[in-house]
Amino acid sequence: DQQVKQNSPSLSVQEGRISILNCDYTNSMFDYFLWYKKYPAEGPTFLISISSIKDKNEDGRFTVFLNKSAKHLSLHIVPSQPGDSAVYFCAASAQSGGTSYGKLTFGQGTILTVHP
Amino acid sequence: DARVTQTPRHKVTEMGQEVTMRCQPILGHNTVFWYRQTMMQGLELLAYFRNRAPLDDSGMPKDRFSAEMPDATLATLKIQPSEPRDSAVYFCASGSQGLYTEAFFGQGTRLTVV
Repeated sequence: DQQVKQNSPSLSVQEGRISILNCDYTNSMFDYFLWYKKYPAEGPTFLISISSIKDKNEDGRFTVFLNKSAKHLSLHIVPSQPGDSAVYFCAASAQSGGTSYGKLTFGQGTILTVHP
Repeated sequence: DARVTQTPRHKVTEMGQEVTMRCQPILGHNTVFWYRQTMMQGLELLAYFRNRAPLDDSGMPKDRFSAEMPDATLATLKIQPSEPRDSAVYFCASGSQGLYTEAFFGQGTRLTVV
């Protein structure tokens, strides 16, 4: 039961263009969403997050959009750079009480390749 | 420079042997996660601790895997006996309790069972 899904295994983009990575979730209890970036032979590193009270959060070249009714979020990278080439993971958690509070559930990841 | 430290970074072992992976969470963090990265499943949650108490280990094969936190500075993930299908990269992550906080990952242990 995959509660967080990234349906595109890979994405290829030209340098300078926009990269859009997508993520869908099924659990309506999720109210906090994160994106992580992972380079080979390293652990994932936190990139950007959004809580369910917002529909957009921006940090430099990175913007995350949340559509709660569609249970969908996306990460936009503008402009894309070759150094952005990595695996991007979407994650979600429920911040309300219970034993699952704070537990991060990840998607399968999307490999982004930015060509010079 | 606070970071999550995992040892060993690489481990090659024969089928049937016991494997122990260790994690030192960031000082002051009270949540610890163990994840396994596979091609098909992405990052699978194996175990989740808060204040050293196991909260969720539903993703862990109980017959051969065990996870513990002997103290606040050490988390362990043990596989006994190991099988070739256990070959993967295992990540530990830690976080602080509170709303809207992220988890910080270690560099992982690449396990190969032959």
